[in-house]
Amino acid sequence: KAGVTQTPRYLIKTRGQQVTLSCSPISGHRSVSWYQQTPGQGLQFLFEYFSETQRNKGNFPGRFSGRQFSNSRSEMNVSTLELGDSALYLCASSLGGLAGGREQYFGPGTRLTVT
Amino acid sequence: DQQVKQNSPSLSVQEGRISILNCDYTNSMFDYFLWYKKYPAEGPTFLISISSIKDKNEDGRFTVFLNKSAKHLSLHIVPSQPGDSAVYFCAAFRYGGSQGNLIFGKGTKLSVKP
Repeated sequence: KAGVTQTPRYLIKTRGQQVTLSCSPISGHRSVSWYQQTPGQGLQFLFEYFSETQRNKGNFPGRFSGRQFSNSRSEMNVSTLELGDSALYLCASSLGGLAGGREQYFGPGTRLTVT
Repeated sequence: DQQVKQNSPSLSVQEGRISILNCDYTNSMFDYFLWYKKYPAEGPTFLISISSIKDKNEDGRFTVFLNKSAKHLSLHIVPSQPGDSAVYFCAAFRYGGSQGNLIFGKGTKLSVKP
């Protein structure tokens, strides 16, 4: 079974631009969660999508948004990029979602650098 | 305000001995807790979780203990192996309809010496 894939793996953007990251979950998984990892703040939860609906949400501004398609693939968008958005963005998929308290499988991440 | 704290940034243990990783939390409303392991340049790997209504959960070499009165959980690894060397994150999840949130600690780097 293929694992969670994220594209692109590396990205360089300029302040003020917007960016879209993609995540393909493990086949059959309906939940995709997104996370931001930085040296200063550590790992932070952005949001979770389950069957195309946002189900849980962390404490991030509205510049961070996402969506999920009918095939469970998910995209995360960050608008009006700031230098502080430079981070490793991880997505994870699971069968039952965060509410199930069970396994999540993480992708390798997308390294975003904002200059 | 850090709701989930891992006060030890690092821990060194001899192979074969027990590793105990600790985590404290401030919000008594969390519904369950999770532990993840992360190797460099890889995404985190789920290890084990525990519901807030339980006080212990075991899976092979890994056991998580939850002390609700102290708002403290710990992960025990017995016996420790060199391959366990990684950064360990604890996380706490709170249901909240569309506002449910998952909060991570900053991690503890475990080094298991052969």
